[in-house]
Amino acid sequence: QQQVKQSPQSLIVQKGGISIINCAYENTAFDYFPWYQQFPGKGPALLIAIRPDVSEKKEGRFTISFNKSAKQFSLHIMDSQPGDSATYFCAASMVGNSGYALNFGKGTSLLVTP
Amino acid sequence: KAGVTQTPRYLIKTRGQQVTLSCSPISGHRSVSWYQQTPGQGLQFLFEYFSETQRNKGNFPGRFSGRQFSNSRSEMNVSTLELGDSALYLCASTLAGPSRGEQFFGPGTRLTVL
Repeated sequence: QQQVKQSPQSLIVQKGGISIINCAYENTAFDYFPWYQQFPGKGPALLIAIRPDVSEKKEGRFTISFNKSAKQFSLHIMDSQPGDSATYFCAASMVGNSGYALNFGKGTSLLVTP
Repeated sequence: KAGVTQTPRYLIKTRGQQVTLSCSPISGHRSVSWYQQTPGQGLQFLFEYFSETQRNKGNFPGRFSGRQFSNSRSEMNVSTLELGDSALYLCASTLAGPSRGEQFFGPGTRLTVL
């Protein structure tokens, strides 16, 4: 059972455009929502993360928007560059001493064209 | 500071064999999690170790096991390999404590089962 649903599966954006990837979750106990970027042959790299007490977090060209009532969060990549071409994963985990297990979305393959 | 290291990087085994993968976390990180990545299922949580104890376990058969040593290094073992076990196995380390949730991934071990 996929606890985090991610869309779209693939995305093509022109250089300088805005890339938007969306995720939805069901479990209201989730309290940590990171985004990872993965290049071929590499492990996922943490990009940016948000907790549900804020609605938006920005780091450079990357912004997470979080809608707690809708149980949705999204990644916006402003001024997209060819070097941003990679697979992006959203994830969610829950509070407590049960550990840090991440529930991942299926990923979005982003291609930024020159 | 050195990142998460995983050995070996590539492995080819045949059905029925067993395999052991190794992970060295970032220095000072006490939690180690393992994930399986396949094109069909995406990134799936296997288990997490903290202070040499398994704290959390994903929905995988008992053929998948792991352990953590006193220096936080971890190993995972897969017995009686099946063709479907072919995947990229990723290890992630977490500092634990207030920064909970920030998982840093290694490059992975690519396992091919023939």
